[in-house]
Amino acid sequence: EADIYQTPRYLVIGTGKKITLECSQTMGHDKMYWYQQDPGMELHLIHYSYGVNSTEKGDLSSESTVSRIRTEHFPLTLESARPSHTSQYLCASSATGDKNIQYFGAGTRLSVL
Amino acid sequence: DAKTTQPPSMDCAEGRAANLPCNHSTISGNEYVYWYRQIHSQGPQYIIHGLKNNETNEMASLIITEDRKSSTLILPHATLRDTAVYYCIVRPPGSNYQLIWGAGTKLIIKP
Repeated sequence: EADIYQTPRYLVIGTGKKITLECSQTMGHDKMYWYQQDPGMELHLIHYSYGVNSTEKGDLSSESTVSRIRTEHFPLTLESARPSHTSQYLCASSATGDKNIQYFGAGTRLSVL
Repeated sequence: DAKTTQPPSMDCAEGRAANLPCNHSTISGNEYVYWYRQIHSQGPQYIIHGLKNNETNEMASLIITEDRKSSTLILPHATLRDTAVYYCIVRPPGSNYQLIWGAGTKLIIKP
């Protein structure tokens, strides 16, 4: 069982608010990822990190930002939420040398009104 | 990047074997076949992966054809809890290669 945690599980917030989605893993994995998934649609990579102080943008453009100050923690921030940000956000991690196997959290379902 | 083709949906009776096909005719020699599944509203879960030999673990079996152009994921005794979207992904094994997620197969297990 993967030890990767996302909070909150559900968030309903008004337009213009700043939000931070939390993701933590206790497996010591060096690589972490954020995906965005709309209902019934494919997962799209929006951010990834190969280690502390390393962050890169994914294939899908996103107005969110991420930071990686500690190995176990990879928060995602939206400075000013908009209805177009309504989606599910999934965090994952993997270990170098582990054959590209990613372990996912349960996700945060965000609704911006 | 190798592309995969999966049927959009399948049904299977509870207790029977569920066989999920995946075509990957342009797979490269160093690319593995990975299977994940996503139960409704949850994060994807890794199931199994393989290069060219058949693989089996506690969750499933993976059968890869000799030419590696297609594979089949087998859930030997499907239960209602196996209802999920199943994703077949082909990628090199290094974690510097991002997983590319398609639409997958929606598997519905019926009582």
